[in-house]
Amino acid sequence: GAGVSQSPRYKVTKRGQDVALRCDPISGHVSLYWYRQALGQGPEFLTYFNYEAQQDKSGLPNDRFSAERPEGSISTLTIQRTEQRDSAMYRCASSLSGVGEGNTEAFFGQGTRLTVV
Amino acid sequence: DAKTTQPPSMDCAEGRAANLPCNHSTISGNEYVYWYRQIHSQGPQYIIHGLKNNETNEMASLIITEDRKSSTLILPHATLRDTAVYYCIVRGFAGGTSYGKLTFGQGTILTVHP
Repeated sequence: GAGVSQSPRYKVTKRGQDVALRCDPISGHVSLYWYRQALGQGPEFLTYFNYEAQQDKSGLPNDRFSAERPEGSISTLTIQRTEQRDSAMYRCASSLSGVGEGNTEAFFGQGTRLTVV
Repeated sequence: DAKTTQPPSMDCAEGRAANLPCNHSTISGNEYVYWYRQIHSQGPQYIIHGLKNNETNEMASLIITEDRKSSTLILPHATLRDTAVYYCIVRGFAGGTSYGKLTFGQGTILTVHP
């Protein structure tokens, strides 16, 4: 596709339910990033992948959060047993390369607005 | 991660140059300076990045001091559509704790007024 695509755009879920957020990066992009953004705050890093390898998951807040990118393209961020504090905008980004001296810019998707009620 | 410090807000008149400062005194030799902006509820948008030389593209210019401890993003002719939150980020390209990821701070809210 022309840009990073995320689905769903909006998700309302009940507390305790599991949710899966999908990110379809720009075709051919090696690196994929997940961020979370609360209202009025800057994006908070969660995790990132190069190809299918999860390079850094230091930003995942706890073990209810996990992410995968099994074929090096589409990624899924899963939140188990959701809590109200998980409500936020979840943003995905991809870049042609995330490593090495030739770093290129990251392109962000429109995000998934998650509301836990 | 190398931290950045930016003023929380700035104003600029339409048509004038907007100069957004950023301090990154702990930057290491293998870290670039990146600038992104976020307009309203959209995703962050890349503007420019540099290592030690000044850089210019169609959107902006980036001036990095010789000691690399600070930089300035310049929007030469600000328009109303440039009203956004501007983020200054340091990012490693090989090793180090900032390797790969972009770490956003609070940024500077730039308001361009008529």
